[in-house]
Amino acid sequence: AQSVTQLDSHVSVSEGTPVLLRCNYSSSYSPSLFWYVQHPNKGLQLLLKYTSAATLVKGINGFEAEFKKSETSFHLTKPSAHMSDAAEYFCAWIGGYNKLIFGAGTRLAVHP
Amino acid sequence: GAGVSQTPSNKVTEKGKYVELRCDPISGHTALYWYRQSLGQGPEFLIYFQGTGAADDSGLPNDRFFAVRPEGSVSTLKIQRTERGDSAVYLCASSFEAGPGLAPTDEQFFGPGTRLTVL
Repeated sequence: AQSVTQLDSHVSVSEGTPVLLRCNYSSSYSPSLFWYVQHPNKGLQLLLKYTSAATLVKGINGFEAEFKKSETSFHLTKPSAHMSDAAEYFCAWIGGYNKLIFGAGTRLAVHP
Repeated sequence: GAGVSQTPSNKVTEKGKYVELRCDPISGHTALYWYRQSLGQGPEFLIYFQGTGAADDSGLPNDRFFAVRPEGSVSTLKIQRTERGDSAVYLCASSFEAGPGLAPTDEQFFGPGTRLTVL
């Protein structure tokens, strides 16, 4: 069955250092993949999406992700973390009828 | 413009009671989704409306859960005989449908959720 797996439940970085949040997918075809961010008491916000165009996808707030079919990965990166990036991040893919299938989430902590 | 709104933001109820959760989608969005997010988990799909009809309700966990969208805008998720295991954040999302019979565009806009606690 198609699914996404987020490899880390928690990631902690220092402000100004790079961020890497890992997501692997399992699918027999190239799916549409997404990264969402969830700040406390806020709705999920779309960071970026891959829909089989360019494999390197740029999103909001300096985030980007690279679709690697050979590795079945769609990792989220940012060159320099900011305190405001502290949040929960979800990788997701599109199932039938456009329903989103989410991973379990990665909580990103950013320390001064 | 206004985003997706959900009311109430918090709901505390007792086991066995009936609850209704409301979602107001973005104006003009014909597709509406309900998800449930348990503590420490990613959101899980419950039901999808295309206009007034439920096109996919495969995520509803059992017959205590049902949802309506009578006029194709506001939706209500209804839970009968609540159980402690129903405690979660219930999220609503909406998206734009490009045209009659066409699938919604990919981006779903989420509301802030309703936190349901069943004591």
